[in-house]
Amino acid sequence: DTGVSQDPRHKITKRGQNVTFRCDPISEHNRLYWYRQTLGQGPEFLTYFQNEAQLEKSRLLSDRFSAERPKGSFSTLEIQRTEQGDSAMYLCASSLESSGAVPDTQYFGPGTRLTVL
Amino acid sequence: LAKTTQPISMDSYEGQEVNITCSHNNIATNDYITWYQQFPSQGPRFIIQGYKTKVTNEVASLFIPADRKSSTLSLPRVSLSDTAVYYCLVGVEYGGATNKLIFGTGTLLAVQP
Repeated sequence: DTGVSQDPRHKITKRGQNVTFRCDPISEHNRLYWYRQTLGQGPEFLTYFQNEAQLEKSRLLSDRFSAERPKGSFSTLEIQRTEQGDSAMYLCASSLESSGAVPDTQYFGPGTRLTVL
Repeated sequence: LAKTTQPISMDSYEGQEVNITCSHNNIATNDYITWYQQFPSQGPRFIIQGYKTKVTNEVASLFIPADRKSSTLSLPRVSLSDTAVYYCLVGVEYGGATNKLIFGTGTLLAVQP
């Protein structure tokens, strides 16, 4: 399977613990995105990488959240001192930078479901 | 970014054609219209994208009138496996190198036997 993969698929943690999620994009894709989705809502943008450079972070991404993409390949999203409000599905997507005005097609992974007790 | 409005939910039966309309009155000249599908506990999946008139692929058709203030996703002969949430997205926010998608709440399509 050459799609976007995420690990773990499920994570249960206690409030105050740190968690780290991993995303492996489609190999030739240079753009990588993180989104968060809560029940009944569409995904919300968190952050975006072009190669290894993190180019934008949403206001949702507080100082407890950090993301990295070393060497422009896989990415990790870390949440420190988790809170119950962090419980959500965390989605990763990747795309190949397109030329011209046509937007990139973003390919999503299956997500990591976080439950904070 | 252009705001989109689509029905919260729709019901259909197997074998029927389903049309989901999305309104986007303030679409910008260079905005594209994109539809994603999402099954429970999965990430969204790209369905189709277009700029004007009609676009068709192996999954769906997208109809865009001349004024581009709305668009209609057409799913031919739906099956139970088409039960999902369908998101209409207009434009992609470009700011520097930003390329983020802005999702609404989508349309929950329920296909019954």
